[in-house]
This record gives sequence, C-alpha cells and structure tokens, in this order.
Amino acid sequence: DIVMTQTPLSSSVTLGQPASISCRSSQSLVHSDGNTYLSWLQQRPGQPPRLLIYMVSNRFSGVPDRFSGSGAGTDFTLKISRVEAEDVGVYYCMQGTQSGSFGQGTKLEIK
Amino acid sequence: QLVESGGGMVQPGGSLRLSCAGSGFTFSSHWMNWVRQAPGKGLEWVANINEDGSEKNYVDSLKGRVAISRDNAGNSLSLQMNYLGADDTAIYYCTRESSWGALDLWGRGTMVTVSS
Repeated sequence: DIVMTQTPLSSSVTLGQPASISCRSSQSLVHSDGNTYLSWLQQRPGQPPRLLIYMVSNRFSGVPDRFSGSGAGTDFTLKISRVEAEDVGVYYCMQGTQSGSFGQGTKLEIK
Repeated sequence: QLVESGGGMVQPGGSLRLSCAGSGFTFSSHWMNWVRQAPGKGLEWVANINEDGSEKNYVDSLKGRVAISRDNAGNSLSLQMNYLGADDTAIYYCTRESSWGALDLWGRGTMVTVSS
C-alpha cells in the first residue's frame, strides 16, 4: 500500500493569513496512464468529508479559489491564501493511483 | 445522493452487512468505495469496486474479512464484514469515485460498534 504522510498534523492560523499543508507519498503517484491521482478533502466538525482538489491542482465544483493545490511525483501541497472561519476542520490528502489511501489528516484551527 | 444503512452494534467475532443506496446519478458509471473513520481518528480507505463489479480492491489489513459488491440494477453497494473486532468500530462511508480518481460524493455514514 502507498503510505501518505502529512505535515503538520495541526496548524493554528490567524484569520486572513495563509495556510499550507504538505503531503508526501511513499512512492510516485504518477499512474501508468500519465495522470497523478492526488486529491485533497476537507472534513468540518460533525460532517462527512468533502472534495476540494482533484488531480493535484483542480478545484472541485463550488470550492473557493482561495484553495489551491500543487506538486508532482511524491510531494504535494494544499494552500489556503487567506484563511476564513469556515475553513476550520481537518484536511486530508488522498491518493487514488493505487487503490486508495489517506494521509493522517491536518487539523486547522483559528488562532 | 448516497445513503448508507446496516450499521449497529455487533459482538466481537460477529458479521455485518452494510448497504448504500445511490440516487440522482448514473450509478453503474462509477467506481464506488467504502471509507471508514474510527471515533476521533482519521479516514481509512477500505475497498473499491469498478463499474460492473469485475474488479475489487481492498486495504491489506482487511483482506479476507471484507467483501465489496454492487447491484447496478438496484443502484446499491454493499460491504460484508466478518470476524469483527473492536478495531472495526467506526463510521463507514459510502463514496462515489469520479473519473479523476477522487471521491466526489459522500454519504453521511453508518456507525458500526463492535462490543460485547
């Protein structure tokens, strides 16, 4: 199984300031079809997860443009340009290149 | 939407069959997945199944104890779980997989509690 490692595991950010979460995979996420199936999900308290970013850098429908994804190979990043109160929750990276696996999650709080 | 059912309390060593009803989309056109989340813990991918049910994948730690299946005529997904232990206590989510390899639609989950 591919192991996904996120850092940091928690982050406290001032409203309006940026936030960044890193995700590293134990092997390359480039699929044999040439695509990289790395996504980011947000889970607000008491809610099921929801998709934010797919295939590294594509925002899902309805996701604010303050969320962006980048990276390649084994190293990926989720950035929030200006954190808002509604962004509180846990963020997960997930790989879909080889079956599936999630990072441990990063808890985002407001300072 | 996706609606899970079948959760509940089961004794250690017991079995449970979870179900998921899909609606509002072409169920037979999507891979489907099960993901679980133990209380206060992170997400764990459990299994997925391709569009016609001919390909199935499982997390290594559960191979041999769980079986995923689907009924496209009835727009439903199932997860049969056997030899349950306390570590299987979790919310089990049914999720749709997009063509981009991402889980773009989630149910609200069904809670499974393994306890004597």
